[in-house]
Formats: sequence, structure tokens, C-alpha cells
Amino acid sequence: QKEVEQDPGPLSVPEGAIVSLNCTYSNSAFQYFMWYRQYSRKGPELLMYTYSSGNKEDGRFTAQVDKSSKYISLFIRDSQPSDSATYLCAMKNANDYKLSFGAGTTVTVRA
Amino acid sequence: NAGVTQTPKFQVLKTGQSMTLQCAQDMNHNSMYWYRQDPGMGLRLIYYSASEGTTDKGEVPNGYNVSRLNKREFSLRLESAAPSQTSVYFCASSESNSNTEAFFGQGTRLTVV
Repeated sequence: QKEVEQDPGPLSVPEGAIVSLNCTYSNSAFQYFMWYRQYSRKGPELLMYTYSSGNKEDGRFTAQVDKSSKYISLFIRDSQPSDSATYLCAMKNANDYKLSFGAGTTVTVRA
Repeated sequence: NAGVTQTPKFQVLKTGQSMTLQCAQDMNHNSMYWYRQDPGMGLRLIYYSASEGTTDKGEVPNGYNVSRLNKREFSLRLESAAPSQTSVYFCASSESNSNTEAFFGQGTRLTVV
């Protein structure tokens, strides 16, 4: 069983819809939770990160962490065609170098 | 500002051939990483270097070697390429081990036939 599970999709939504992405994990020691965005044929780039449990909002993006359920989510409001990309969740322990990635979910926002 | 630069961008190798993937960063970061990305597997860490002069194995190090040439450069070598090493390889860097943000290069698409 993988340490981080993420539904690979693909997910196709109309422009303006809310996109909901999630990951589950098994390692209770994870404390940093990140979402990376990867456009086609490009390297991943950090979108947001959250420390421990709770919510974080940045513009149209909201990240949620529920450590009791070992479940994290990313919501994209008012989705745009430019949001079409693969979204990867990643997690790490506080004192560890190692990032554990999910498989990534491919999202297409239709104009 | 280039960030993380990888060369080459594409490569086709025959089974048994060797090659070195180059990576350089201009952000004065201490830590550098090599990942491979395969469909359905996400990013898996091959090797990392916490600082100049140190390297450590990651999750999938077999068949690879690395060299941290200086603070800027971190190379990945395949001594005898195998079809199972067909993948997209990403180099990344971060200020330190504990930093949450890693900056990635554009990737090298390697096919071993």
C-alpha cells in the first residue's frame, strides 16, 4: 500500500465550477502538507502548503487538512481553463528531507 | 533568473549504455534532489544531497549514482541503462532539508530501448 494515495482522475469540469481534489495518507507523523501544480511537460511548482491541521486560503484556492482522518483536500473555486494541470499532493515529517508524493490528479477545465 | 536547469531535455539510450543527467541551480540552495516520475506512481526520490559534499539514497537508488560537484551542481549517472529506467527525471533544490518548498527543473525525458 502506498504511503500517500491520490485518485489520478482524470477530472474534467466546466469553467467556473468548483474543483475538489483530495489525498489520504497512512503516516501519522506527517506534519507539512503541500499541493504542487504541474503543467504539461513542465516541472511541479508549489501551490500551497499547510502545517498540521486546519484550513488555508489563497485567492481561489483553499487547502484543508484533517489529521484525525489522515485526509487532505484542495478546492479551486471559479475554475479557469488556465487551472488545467496535474495537481500533486505531498507530505513530510517536520525534521525529514523526504517529500512523499501522491500520484497526481489531472484536471481539465473546459471553456 | 533561471532557477533549476536540467540537461538534456530528451534522451534515447540503448540498453546497457551509460549517461549523465546534469542539473544546476542558481538560487544558492543547500539541498538538491533527483526524482523520477512514472505514470500512476507520482514522484519518487532517487538520491538527495543535503549540502555540498554529502549525498544519500532515497526511495529508488538502484541503478543510479550521483555527484554533488559543488553547491550549484548535482548530477545523476546511469551506468548501464535498463528499459525500467525509462521515465521523466526531475532535479529539485531547496534552501535546506527542512524547507517545505522545493523548486523543480523542467525535467529530462529518458527512453531506454
